[in-house]
Amino acid sequence: GEDVEQSLFLSVREGDSSVINCTYTDSSSTYLYWYKQEPGAGLQLLTYIFSNMDMKQDQRLTVLLNKKDKHLSLRIADTQTGDSAIYFCADSRGGKLIFGQGTELSVKP
Amino acid sequence: NAGVTQTPKFQVLKTGQSMTLQCAQDMNHEYMSWYRQDPGMGLRLIHYSVGAGITDQGEVPNGYNVSRSTTEDFPLRLLSAAPSQTSVYFCASSHKPGTGIPEAFFGQGTRLTVV
Repeated sequence: GEDVEQSLFLSVREGDSSVINCTYTDSSSTYLYWYKQEPGAGLQLLTYIFSNMDMKQDQRLTVLLNKKDKHLSLRIADTQTGDSAIYFCADSRGGKLIFGQGTELSVKP
Repeated sequence: NAGVTQTPKFQVLKTGQSMTLQCAQDMNHEYMSWYRQDPGMGLRLIHYSVGAGITDQGEVPNGYNVSRSTTEDFPLRLLSAAPSQTSVYFCASSHKPGTGIPEAFFGQGTRLTVV
């Protein structure tokens, strides 16, 4: 989706933190999501944040939302090789999900 | 609980052939949608439905038809397949906003090749 933008690749070392960034344009978005896609599989919801929140933490995952700049980020603490996947941000509009291009996270041992 | 079921998982078509990709969900979700995934382009919305009898176009609807005669099923029809429709297709379903966790559930995908 051209209205949601992500960088395409990120490479980190095992044990480091990963930060995946996303920008969106629709200020009326109610929820913003992070999905994970492993090779050959469908999409799995990782976490979501309501648009009136600034931050949400869920175990190793931290989501930050800057509504003024329309910027969303996903931080994965202590990144593991099992976190290697494509990560999509998405915003919801009237029941539709608009996805970014996906960020391929590569975790090197 | 099966969730969202897509069939077939793989399909090869010749240019000009037609076919239907099936999608069924057993979660009584109001919303259903079809996406295609192409490298470097994320998931693009083809068609979506907010309830039985209601469908609407997404970002890339040309060459595809949908119908929603029941809450459970949302088939995607390719009218005359073209090589540009080679892609991985995902079906998703969710409750309408305001009714619980706003999570969209995805099928495992259909990998379609048009030769």
